Amino acid sequence: QKEVEQNSGPLSVPEGAIASLNCTYSDRVSQSFFWYRQYSGKSPELIMSIYSNGDKEDGRFTAQLNKASQYVSLLIRDSQPSDSATYLCAVLPLQKLVFGTGTRLLVSP
Amino acid sequence: DAGVTQSPTHLIKTRGQQVTLRCSPKSGHDTVSWYQQALGQGPQFIFQYYEEEERQRGNFPDRFSGHQFPNYSSELNVNALLLGDSALYLCASSLARTGEETQYFGPGTRLLVL
Repeated sequence: QKEVEQNSGPLSVPEGAIASLNCTYSDRVSQSFFWYRQYSGKSPELIMSIYSNGDKEDGRFTAQLNKASQYVSLLIRDSQPSDSATYLCAVLPLQKLVFGTGTRLLVSP
Repeated sequence: DAGVTQSPTHLIKTRGQQVTLRCSPKSGHDTVSWYQQALGQGPQFIFQYYEEEERQRGNFPDRFSGHQFPNYSSELNVNALLLGDSALYLCASSLARTGEETQYFGPGTRLLVL
């Protein structure tokens, strides 16, 4: 079992829709969770961090964490074509980030 | 506020050669982590430096080594390059002193081994 699992996609949504990205992790020690966005050929860019169960909102982005289910998600409201990228879920068990393989999101105009 | 910088941006080497990649952390950060990202994969942790010492290491061979300088900048060295070392090498910085472990990435160095 992979430490962090994501559906590779692509996840296709129309412009203005809500995109829902999901991630599960195996290490119960993990206390910190992150979502990074990566455009093709570029480096990962931090979007959200979440540490406690529940929801955390930042603009059009909402991160959701459920430690009992070992599940973290990212919702993108009013999706824009510029949101088309790969979204990487990462957990931080012991100083090092452990990444999933990423979900490719395509937002069509 | 200066972000994480890396040099060079691109590099082409041949098998068996050695390479050194450089990283300057975000202003105020004291910890540098290195990651390798192969095409279509998530970044894989190589090692982390804090207070000029390797604090943690991922599952990479000894051909991969590093260093952190007193000004917190860091180098990644790879010896005896293999074709499989071709990847995007990412440096990330964070501030360990406060317990804030959020890591911010530099633009990366793309290494091609022929």
